[in-house]
Amino acid sequence: DVKVTQSSRYLVKRTGEKVFLECVQDMDHENMFWYRQDPGLGLRLIYFSYDVKMKEKGDIPEGYSVSREKKERFSLILESASTNQTSMYLCAARTGVGYTFGSGTRLTVV
Amino acid sequence: AQSVTQLDSQVPVFEEAPVELRCNYSSSVSVYLFWYVQYPNQGLQLLLKYLSGSTLVKGINGFEAEFNKSQTSFHLRKPSVHISDTAEYFCAVSVANAGNNRKLIWGLGTSLAVNP
Repeated sequence: DVKVTQSSRYLVKRTGEKVFLECVQDMDHENMFWYRQDPGLGLRLIYFSYDVKMKEKGDIPEGYSVSREKKERFSLILESASTNQTSMYLCAARTGVGYTFGSGTRLTVV
Repeated sequence: AQSVTQLDSQVPVFEEAPVELRCNYSSSVSVYLFWYVQYPNQGLQLLLKYLSGSTLVKGINGFEAEFNKSQTSFHLRKPSVHISDTAEYFCAVSVANAGNNRKLIWGLGTSLAVNP
């Protein structure tokens, strides 16, 4: 089975900090995604990538950027963290027609 | 625009009772359909999926779902729930996107609370 690993389960960062959220998949899949999840709003797509060095904006890219230097790693970057970016962040890899998710990173910005 | 509607945001139910979580979608093109479950402070796990063939799909943990093309629905059911089924359930629809890619459209989720 595909495994998608997010390096941190919980993070607390200060306003204005640059934050890196890391995601690694182990099956050479091309398509990877970053979502944020907030109560009552479901999952919202931030960025996705179809291949190395390729990235596409999702529905809510403002305040975020991504990096995909290697196929297995897709990083989400908060250039200057703000309190409204406190959320659960979920990484996923497309596996066939479905998606496999990581365990999520709960980020709190104080 | 394509959308997925989960008709109930919260469903309380007693243990061993049957449950149905409702999902409707709007799309005029061929779709793949999914149900995912999220336990507290976890990522999402695939429960079941419909790609083609039989409209009744069986998944993990005793769940099943029925694809109804005429009603554009994909309701999730379980005949007898357990306390451990307490979780958030998400319906999702995969539709063809630009190029050879597909886009996943999510419902807002249904919170299932199983009470003793």
